[in-house]
Amino acid sequence: QVQLQESGPGLVKPSETLSLTCTVSGGSINNYYWSWIRQPPGKGLECIGYIYYSGSTNYNPSLKSRVTISVDMSKNQFSLKVTSVTAADTAVYYCARVKGVAEGMDVWGQGTTVTVSS
Amino acid sequence: SYDLTQSPSVSVSPGQTASITCSGDKLGDKYTSWYQQKPGQSPVLVIYQDNKRPSGIPERFSGSNSGNTATLTISGTQAMDEADYYCQAWDSSTPFVFGTGTKVTVL
Repeated sequence: QVQLQESGPGLVKPSETLSLTCTVSGGSINNYYWSWIRQPPGKGLECIGYIYYSGSTNYNPSLKSRVTISVDMSKNQFSLKVTSVTAADTAVYYCARVKGVAEGMDVWGQGTTVTVSS
Repeated sequence: SYDLTQSPSVSVSPGQTASITCSGDKLGDKYTSWYQQKPGQSPVLVIYQDNKRPSGIPERFSGSNSGNTATLTISGTQAMDEADYYCQAWDSSTPFVFGTGTKVTVL
């Protein structure tokens, strides 16, 4: 059974870079798309972007200039970097597996809270 | 950008049918997924490709999509179905857009 686990700092200072990693266990990162989603406190879900195991990416246009998603097949991990963060980037960050093109996100991590504050 | 609009809240009595709608321009031309999120938990996929249920999702969850509106229907609603529900549209030009979310309350 595939499981996802997010990891990274829970507190980031304004203007710095937020970095998170999602570790995939119980299955291979091959042949799937992998996504990052965030949820600000009390608000809805926002997809940050996704990456195919081969490395091709697609980002939310509203975040594209500040976001990088990468994959490390040797470690069965994929990662997220968001530069120049502000308080508006405070959220629960989830990683998820995309079941298939237009098939939805069928496996989610438990989420990790990231707070942007000095 | 592409926007998906959901009504903020729906109330339903136990055993009755809850209908949750998701509206977007020509949404019927895109594939829609639905997610259930309970407080403090990660979202769970309950419907994909408009009307397919993942393994383990009860048959009382069903979906449809036509025109500008997708609908998630919960038949015989149970107390455990009380949660926030989000639609998501799939399209090559608008990947992974989420709806605004609907809070379902089982009274």
